[in-house]
Amino acid sequence: GAGVSQSPSNKVTEKGKDVELRCDPISGHTALYWYRQSLGQGLEFLIYFQGNSAPDKSGLPSDRFSAERTGGSVSTLTIQRTQQEDSAVYLCASNTLGWTDYEEQYFGPGTRLTVT
Amino acid sequence: GESVGLHLPTLSVQEGDNSIINCAYSNSASDYFIWYKQESGKGPQFIIDIRSNMDKRQGQRVTVLLNKTVKHLSLQIAATQPGDSAVYFCAETPNQGGKLIFGQGTELSVKP
Repeated sequence: GAGVSQSPSNKVTEKGKDVELRCDPISGHTALYWYRQSLGQGLEFLIYFQGNSAPDKSGLPSDRFSAERTGGSVSTLTIQRTQQEDSAVYLCASNTLGWTDYEEQYFGPGTRLTVT
Repeated sequence: GESVGLHLPTLSVQEGDNSIINCAYSNSASDYFIWYKQESGKGPQFIIDIRSNMDKRQGQRVTVLLNKTVKHLSLQIAATQPGDSAVYFCAETPNQGGKLIFGQGTELSVKP
């Protein structure tokens, strides 16, 4: 079946511009996660949505970062006034159970963001 | 803060040999651990997971060992193949579901 999809695959933007990154989770998955991966580094948690509950925003690095999930499916990560340090690969993941049990997270291919 | 880290950043092995990738974690409350494989330009791919109530779990050509006494996790790959070349990440979570805390990754290179 279809996996997690993300768009765009690559995004180049100028410093100070706003960007929106999109994630389509696997159909039926109620939990959705965003991570950031800087060059040669591990993944850094950003935000987590579970059903209709308030999202866990504890990983967002600044108030320039925000995310929403509409209709319990598609999610958009928005970065306002981008800075060069925002350059990274942004990865989205989803799973069915969220906090109710232990389950792997299924990752999309990521969006590579480059801020010039 | 709490973190998950790896002992070796790179590992080079001959095709057919066994590989062992190590990981140390510091959060004693973590109760679920996962190994992911990431190939260049792709998202992480699940390999194997283990709950804290276990000390060993086997999959196809892979085995994960968990030593809670010393907070150590390892991934063993039997008969390593060129297709196993990738970066391997360990990750932990102290919650059911919820966010994963990732280590820095180990790059595995398999020589033919």
